[in-house]
Amino acid sequence: EVQLVESGGGLVKPGGSLRLSCAASGFTFSSYSMNWVRQAPGKGLEWVSSISSSSSYIYYADSVKGRFTISRDNAKNSLYLQMNSLRAEDTAVYYCARGQHYDFWSDYWGQGTLVTVSS
Amino acid sequence: EIVLTQSPDFQSVTPKEKVTITCRASQSIGSSLHWYQQKPDQSPKLLIKYASQSISGVPSRFSGSGSGTDFTLTINSLEAEDAATYYCHQSSSLPWTFGQGTKVEIK
Repeated sequence: EVQLVESGGGLVKPGGSLRLSCAASGFTFSSYSMNWVRQAPGKGLEWVSSISSSSSYIYYADSVKGRFTISRDNAKNSLYLQMNSLRAEDTAVYYCARGQHYDFWSDYWGQGTLVTVSS
Repeated sequence: EIVLTQSPDFQSVTPKEKVTITCRASQSIGSSLHWYQQKPDQSPKLLIKYASQSISGVPSRFSGSGSGTDFTLTINSLEAEDAATYYCHQSSSLPWTFGQGTKVEIK
């Protein structure tokens, strides 16, 4: 069974940093691209970042480019999102989602972790 | 950026009724369009991939159609458990984008 478990969310002040983690199990992690997608309270889904299976390809939404860094450790079956210079508009539930072998749409999603940016 | 526009934004439907949700892309995306269901306080669940391909474990009352710029998600014979918000999503070109969502309420 595919499982994705996010952690690391919490309350942070504007300008602060946070690192999200996603622990994957139930599939060959190193064979799949991975994504971060967020959802602001009461709003729709917004793609944040994607990383290919071997980290050769990394993509970011313009709204987070230069502030967020996606990475993965295939030996630890883990995905990360380092978030710096956080803003109030980054407040959202952040989902880790599995991509495909050669595409980036998501088939399995974690339960999400809430990031709140507020003073 | 490819904009996905869903219609309607909201639909109130009686059980056993047929539901049709459309998703229009601002430019052609071939069949790189996927549908998700999100129930309150849950993460999204994949319903349909590549516009019309079914997903194992998803009830057969859910189906998708379309290509290019116009796509449709159909729920035949709506059940109470189908109350949710439905999103379309394109993986044709960066940035990957989602529709704004269609909330389906059970009357």
